Amino acid sequence: DTEVTQTPKHLVMGMTNKKSLKCEQHMGHRAMYWYKQKAKKPPELMFVYSYEKLSINESVPSRFSPECPNSSLLNLHLHALQPEDSALYLCASRVGIGNSPLHFGNGTRLTVT
Amino acid sequence: SQQGEEDPQALSIQEGENATMNCSYKTSINNLQWYRQNSGRGLVHLILIRSNEREKHSGRLRVTLDTSKKSSSLLITASRAADTASYFCAPKMEYGNKLVFGAGTILRVKS
Repeated sequence: DTEVTQTPKHLVMGMTNKKSLKCEQHMGHRAMYWYKQKAKKPPELMFVYSYEKLSINESVPSRFSPECPNSSLLNLHLHALQPEDSALYLCASRVGIGNSPLHFGNGTRLTVT
Repeated sequence: SQQGEEDPQALSIQEGENATMNCSYKTSINNLQWYRQNSGRGLVHLILIRSNEREKHSGRLRVTLDTSKKSSSLLITASRAADTASYFCAPKMEYGNKLVFGAGTILRVKS
C-alpha cells in the first residue's frame, strides 16, 4: 500500500466521454505531479502543482485538464480522449522544497475505446 | 536535457550475483534519485544522493555519483528474484520541481 491513493484503479472510457482521475495524499506534501506511462516506457511528466498552483505544464493537450482543489487533492479531468491516450496515469507528491523524493500512487490504468 | 540516460536497457542475472546500472545526465543537478517499478505498479523511491555526496549505501544498494562526469551508478548486491523490476534514475535540477525519468533498466533476476 502507498501513502498516495489514486482512484479509480482501472477506467475504460469512450472517446466522447468525460471522466476524472483522482489522487489524494495526507502527508502534508505541497508539490503534486501527474505522469503518463506507456508500456515499457518511462513515466512522462505532464503537470506539476506547487502550493496548489500549476507550476509546470509539459505542453500537454487541452483534453487533459488538471485541478488542485486543495493541498491534499489532485484531479485530472479527461475529455475527448484518443485511443493513443490509453496508458497508466501516475500521481506523485513530494514535500515541495529541498531534497525530497517523490511518493507515487499505484496509478490508474486508462483504456480509451 | 535534464533527463537521465541509463544503460544497460536490460540486464539478466542469476540470483546471488550483483547488478550494476548506470545513469548519465547533461545538466547541473541538486540531487539524483533512483526508483524501482514493479510491473504495472507505481514507482518506489530507493535512494537519493546529493550533488555534494560521492557514495551512498542503503541495505544491499550502493549508489555513486560523479558530478564531473555527470554520471551515477546503482549497484544491487546479492540480488534476489524479488529485485526483478525496472529501475529509473531521475536527476533533479538545482531549482524547481521538475523531475524527469530516464529510459530505465529492466532487471531480471533468475532463481
